[in-house]
Amino acid sequence: GAGVSQSPRYKVTKRGQDVALRCDPISGHVSLYWYRQALGQGPEFLTYFNYEAQQDKSGLPNDRFSAERPEGSISTLTIQRTEQRDSAMYRCASSTDRSLSGANVLTFGAGSRLTVL
Amino acid sequence: GQSLEQPSEVTAVEGAIVQINCTYQTSGFYGLSWYQQHDGGAPTFLSYNALDGLEETGRFSSFLSRSDSYGYLLLQELQMKDSASYFCAVNQAGTALIFGKGTTLSVSS
Repeated sequence: GAGVSQSPRYKVTKRGQDVALRCDPISGHVSLYWYRQALGQGPEFLTYFNYEAQQDKSGLPNDRFSAERPEGSISTLTIQRTEQRDSAMYRCASSTDRSLSGANVLTFGAGSRLTVL
Repeated sequence: GQSLEQPSEVTAVEGAIVQINCTYQTSGFYGLSWYQQHDGGAPTFLSYNALDGLEETGRFSSFLSRSDSYGYLLLQELQMKDSASYFCAVNQAGTALIFGKGTTLSVSS
């Protein structure tokens, strides 16, 4: 697509429910990143993929968080047994750069705002 | 680990020049990036410095000193539309971009 598309844009859920956030990157972008952004803060790295391979998941806060990108395109970030502290904007970004050593320009999506009641 | 420090807020008037500083501590440093984010919007890429010196792109310039672990974003001829948050971010070995907490720039007339 023309840009990075994320859905849903807004998700309100009750504590304890599972949520799945979807990211459709720019066509041809091999790298896909998940970040979380609290209000007034910078994006916090969660995980990233090159094609379908998860390269680094060190930023995932705990084992309730998982991500996949099975066909090297669309990715899903899943949060199980949500807690109020999970409330945030979840942003996906994609890049043409497979290597981290260059500029690695990230194009961000509009984000999915998650509210856990 | 890694850390980035940048001022939380900067104010300026239209037409002025403002400099947003960023200091960083990291290992395996490749370069320093800058992103702009307007209220309610997504971060967008502004510039990248891998080598020491100044990179100029229109009204915006970015500087890096690798020996001082320091960089800055320079915005000239400020316009109201430049009011936004600005993030420095380190490109480093083995992981994705790590962002600072951001600097909120308010431009008044």
